[in-house]
Amino acid sequence: DIQMTQSPSSLSASVGDRVTITCRTGQSISTYLNWYQQKAGKAPKVLIYGASTLESGVSSRFSGSGSGTDFILTITSLQPEDFATYFCQQTSSTPYTFGQGTKVEIK
Amino acid sequence: QVQLQESGPGLVKPSETLSLTCTVSGGSVSSGAYYWTWIRQPAGKGLEWIGRIYSSGSSKYNPSLQSRVSISLDSSKNQFSLKLTSVTAADTAIYSCARECYYDRYGGIKVDSWGQGIPVTVSS
Repeated sequence: DIQMTQSPSSLSASVGDRVTITCRTGQSISTYLNWYQQKAGKAPKVLIYGASTLESGVSSRFSGSGSGTDFILTITSLQPEDFATYFCQQTSSTPYTFGQGTKVEIK
Repeated sequence: QVQLQESGPGLVKPSETLSLTCTVSGGSVSSGAYYWTWIRQPAGKGLEWIGRIYSSGSSKYNPSLQSRVSISLDSSKNQFSLKLTSVTAADTAIYSCARECYYDRYGGIKVDSWGQGIPVTVSS
């Protein structure tokens, strides 16, 4: 299985802050990396797929970058509705694996 | 917009079989464009991909669960189901059904729809 290391596991930030979350894979996955957001009690939703493509309808505050083994999710100008848990997923090979998640909390 | 809803018992005894169903609305499990998938998350742990089934009935499972898991499709009810045999406390988790789709012609896949998840506890 491809190991996923996501960091940090949690962070506190203020509205308007720039936030970065990283995901590192145990082997190269090209750009087969997706990012999801999950709010408490809600189903996750995809934000970014293919490492850098913004899902339709998702705010342009969200962006993704990286390839190979190192990936970054960036949220520019954090908004109140962005406080949630974010996780990465590799779909380079089955079994697909996920990062442990990053909980973004209000400072 | 497709919606997925899990159903099934929230409590299963050790050594018994966990059975869950996912009902799909707003889309067809017979559509050749998607995989129908099960994912779980034990409390305090990360997500685990359990496996998936295609409209043709072909399936793929996580090797860590392969000997105990099966996923099936019921097109007449627009549902797909998960069975996990010989459960232990380690199988206690929130189980979610989801839909995977290709986003490019090179095999890139994303999960574009998720159910809310159903908590299942394995305990006597």
